[in-house]
Amino acid sequence: DADVTQTPRNRITKTGKRIMLECSQTKGHDRMYWYRQDPGLGLRLIYYSFDVKDINKGEISDGYSVSRQAQAKFSLSLESAIPNQTALYFCATSDLSGSSYNEQFFGPGTRLTVL
Amino acid sequence: GENVEQHPSTLSVQEGDSAVIKCTYSDSASNYFPWYKQELGKRPQLIIDIRSNVGEKKDQRIAVTLNKTAKHFSLHITETQPEDSAVYFCAAKNTGGFKTIFGAGTRLFVKA
Repeated sequence: DADVTQTPRNRITKTGKRIMLECSQTKGHDRMYWYRQDPGLGLRLIYYSFDVKDINKGEISDGYSVSRQAQAKFSLSLESAIPNQTALYFCATSDLSGSSYNEQFFGPGTRLTVL
Repeated sequence: GENVEQHPSTLSVQEGDSAVIKCTYSDSASNYFPWYKQELGKRPQLIIDIRSNVGEKKDQRIAVTLNKTAKHFSLHITETQPEDSAVYFCAAKNTGGFKTIFGAGTRLFVKA
């Protein structure tokens, strides 16, 4: 089945370290997103991309950067991790057309802990 | 800015009872309202959605209602079962735009 995958699934790192979270999808979708989930705060958008040449900031982009290496790959980087970036991170995709074109398809999540 | 408020944050019901989760949105241009269910340790998944040209939509034991004038929409789960226990997120989107705005989530406990 077409899917959205994320690596790593869990990561513990130290303050000041650079870390990259990767997302791949076999759904053939053009749109990709990175969200952060914190208890009581829901899903907050970090960055989104509509194609390889298009990158946009979401509501909480400070401290993060992204790279859209191909239609199927969207990476999130923390250049210098800090403890308040400890969270559950989700990648998501959506389609530009078709009956499900507004639906977000989420990856399994990456649990990041910054010590 | 755009905002979606969701209440309650936690809801506990007895198996067989109904559960209602309510959301309000701020962007009057929103015209698509999905609900996602996130089971413990799993990814959020769409369970039902409603568009602004419809006031109510049902799918078996779940239903959504929308009041565009008041900018309110609600999720109703009837005959709740233990497997309904999860976190539920409401969301709002302008289908002509790019971003889906999520509520903070409601943790539903269904007691057997």
